[in-house]
Amino acid sequence: DQQVKQNSPSLSVQEGRISILNCDYTNSMFDYFLWYKKYPAEGPTFLISISSIKDKNEDGRFTVFLNKSAKHLSLHIVPSQPGDSAVYFCAASGHFGNEKLTFGTGTRLTIIP
Amino acid sequence: EPEVTQTPSHQVTQMGQEVILRCVPISNHLYFYWYRQILGQKVEFLVSFYNNEISEKSEIFDDRFSVERPDGSNFTLKIRSTKLEDSAMYFCASSGVSGNTIYFGEGSWLTVV
Repeated sequence: DQQVKQNSPSLSVQEGRISILNCDYTNSMFDYFLWYKKYPAEGPTFLISISSIKDKNEDGRFTVFLNKSAKHLSLHIVPSQPGDSAVYFCAASGHFGNEKLTFGTGTRLTIIP
Repeated sequence: EPEVTQTPSHQVTQMGQEVILRCVPISNHLYFYWYRQILGQKVEFLVSFYNNEISEKSEIFDDRFSVERPDGSNFTLKIRSTKLEDSAMYFCASSGVSGNTIYFGEGSWLTVV
């Protein structure tokens, strides 16, 4: 039962260009969405979040867009840097933060110098 | 910056043995979690803990698993009668009051042989 889906297992982007990572969800009870970045053999590192009352949240080079009607969110990274190469996980919860997170399968982003 | 710390970073155990994974959550956090990631798969929720009791657990968290907060700082995951399929990276996480993000530790890699 994949309630959170990341349909692109991998993505390659030229350094300096925009990286767009996508995530779809099926559970309409999800209320809070997060993006995590993960390196091999390390824990997920929080990047940015958005609650369902917003459609956009921006933090430096990272912007998350939420389209509730389409049950879709995306993470934009601009400009992309080599250090951004990692696996990116989308996660969702039923309410703010402290409810359990349901993770997507991840997208491996490779930034090409 | 405060962080979640986990020990050991890697543990190898014989099938059938008991293991204890330890975590020190961020000091002012109130909600504690264990997640795991089997190699090549997505991060999965195991259990959440609040106010000295389990608030939610997944199907993975069967009666071989237990959690404990023995003092004001540590949060442990115990797995009894380990099985080969318990081999995974186990992540401890914590969050503050409602509305806060869940922060993850670096993980403990468990190998059952």
